[in-house]
Amino acid sequence: DQQVKQNSPSLSVQEGRISILNCDYTNSMFDYFLWYKKYPAEGPTFLISISSIKDKNEDGRFTVFLNKSAKHLSLHIVPSQPGDSAVYFCAAKKDSNYQLIWGAGTKLIIKP
Amino acid sequence: DAMVIQNPRYQVTQFGKPVTLSCSQTLNHNVMYWYQQKSSQAPKLLFHYYDKDFNNEADTPDNFQSRRPNTSFCFLDIRSPGLGDAAMYLCATSSRTGVTNEKLFFGSGTQLSVL
Repeated sequence: DQQVKQNSPSLSVQEGRISILNCDYTNSMFDYFLWYKKYPAEGPTFLISISSIKDKNEDGRFTVFLNKSAKHLSLHIVPSQPGDSAVYFCAAKKDSNYQLIWGAGTKLIIKP
Repeated sequence: DAMVIQNPRYQVTQFGKPVTLSCSQTLNHNVMYWYQQKSSQAPKLLFHYYDKDFNNEADTPDNFQSRRPNTSFCFLDIRSPGLGDAAMYLCATSSRTGVTNEKLFFGSGTQLSVL
């Protein structure tokens, strides 16, 4: 039972344009969401998070949007840069539970 | 820099031969996790230590064991590796103080091959 889904295994975007990575979840009890970025042969690194009491969180070029009614969140990267090429994981948790539930990841490729 | 260090980066073992993966941290975090990640899949939590308390996930095979001799170190022991255990093993830490929105800090992982 996949509670967190990233339906696009890969995404290719032109450098300088906007990258939009999507994530859907099924458990309405999730109240905290995170995005992690992973380069090949490295561990994931934390990128940005959002609490369910918000619908938007911004950090530099990265913005996460949360639509609770649709159980959908998205990560926007603008402008996209070559160094953004990586696998992006969406993860969710319930405040009462330590465990992160992960999506399968989306591989983002930024084309020059 | 404070960090999570995993050794070795690549480990090759034989089918059925016990293997130990190690993880150390300088972050002084009270929680340490072990994840298994296979290609194109989500990381799968095997178990974690909250201080000295060991928490095993229900679907983690008995073949996988862990030790945390002190705050800084945590080991993953695979008693009899099978071909299906070939994967990236990720160690992560976090600072948990009550029920908070903790963030995980990952090591670079150990890529395990089973021949």
